[in-house]
Amino acid sequence: DAKTTQPNSMESNEEEPVHLPCNHSTISGTDYIHWYRQLPSQGPEYVIHGLTSNVNNRMASLAIAEDRKSSTLILHRATLRDAAVYYCILRDVNNAGNMLTFGGGTRLMVKP
Amino acid sequence: EAGVAQSPRYKIIEKRQSVAFWCNPISGHATLYWYQQILGQGPKLLIQFQNNGVVDDSQLPKDRFSAERLKGVDSTLKIQPAKLEDSAVYLCASSLGRGGVSRNTIYFGEGSWLTVV
Repeated sequence: DAKTTQPNSMESNEEEPVHLPCNHSTISGTDYIHWYRQLPSQGPEYVIHGLTSNVNNRMASLAIAEDRKSSTLILHRATLRDAAVYYCILRDVNNAGNMLTFGGGTRLMVKP
Repeated sequence: EAGVAQSPRYKIIEKRQSVAFWCNPISGHATLYWYQQILGQGPKLLIQFQNNGVVDDSQLPKDRFSAERLKGVDSTLKIQPAKLEDSAVYLCASSLGRGGVSRNTIYFGEGSWLTVV
């Protein structure tokens, strides 16, 4: 399975943008890039996913490098509620039921 | 839309005792997953079902863990006998199971917290 590399932790100030990086240098052409986050004492929740183009939704934006070897999750205005562990995960487009393989993720701390 | 339901939320047992966790996935979801999350680590897949059939149980410690999904809806995960290292959060998740990755967001329950003493 293609693996991802993320920083262990990051800090941000409330109401400022946050850029969470992810490296996936061995990504294959059929891998989607997914982001999930896990709030304290909760199960992981879906944030966003993309294949080649940048993506936006109500939670975040996903910027994907042209060579697809890295991506960045962008929270436009961090709130205290965004403090969580963020996981960058690759999923094969050809396998709809494919499980998620989690790494260690990035723990985001948001300061008031 | 109701989410993935799990129970019990918390359980404390002594080592060598048994415990069972129950999961009700989102209605219509064919794929069901059980994950184990040890404190400070990312979740690890234990078993994946497609309807009532097992797709992947390669990381399930079969000498003590068992899981079933008899009617292709609810699922039960059992541990017998429990060991200290089984202390973890057990997460159930479900997805549609067809139609491509973009239609197959995986939804997680809140988890069942197990402490073995």
